Amino acid sequence: DVVMTQSPLSLPVTLGQPASISCRSSQSLVHSDGNTYLNWFQQRPGQSPRRLIYKVSNRDSGVPDRFSGSGSGTDFTLKITRVEAEDVGVYYCMQGTHWPWTFGQGTKVEIK
Amino acid sequence: EVQLVESGGNLVQPGRSLGLSCTGSGFTFGDYGMSWVRQAPGKGLEWVGFIGSKAYAGTTLYAASVKGRFTISRDDSKSIAYLQMNSLKTEDTALYFCTRGYGTNSGLYWGQGTLVTVSS
Repeated sequence: DVVMTQSPLSLPVTLGQPASISCRSSQSLVHSDGNTYLNWFQQRPGQSPRRLIYKVSNRDSGVPDRFSGSGSGTDFTLKITRVEAEDVGVYYCMQGTHWPWTFGQGTKVEIK
Repeated sequence: EVQLVESGGNLVQPGRSLGLSCTGSGFTFGDYGMSWVRQAPGKGLEWVGFIGSKAYAGTTLYAASVKGRFTISRDDSKSIAYLQMNSLKTEDTALYFCTRGYGTNSGLYWGQGTLVTVSS
């Protein structure tokens, strides 16, 4: 199985400051169709996961533009340019290239 | 509006069986693959299994942790995906979500989850 490793696992951030989460996969996430199926999810306390980013860098509709995704191959990053109070929660990367689909351990973002 | 609603969660003893349902609305259910994802209390997300659309012959795939015990099926006429769980273990205790899609569409829509507790 593809192992997804996120860092850090805990991320205290000051409001208005940037945040960055790393996600590394144990093998390349480039699919045979040429796409890289790496998604980022946000899970606020008590809520279902919400997809923020798909295929590495595509922002879903309604997702604030302070969220961005980048990376390639086995190294990916989710960045928040200026953290707001509503960004508190756990962030997961997930690969959908190889079966079984696998998630990172999650990164808990909290306000300092 | 796309909606997914899970149901069927309950308290069940180890070794017993339980069936979950995921009812979709607001889209053509039969056009989409469906996945089940679970989250143990206070833990992260774990993909459980997937069933493809009719276009993909309803192919099913499972995580190693549930293979041989869990079965996913679907009834497109009712817009429902099912998760039949047999030989349940305490470690199957989790909130079970269904989510729609495959590839680019994977994970865009989620239900609210249904809680399964396996305990004697």
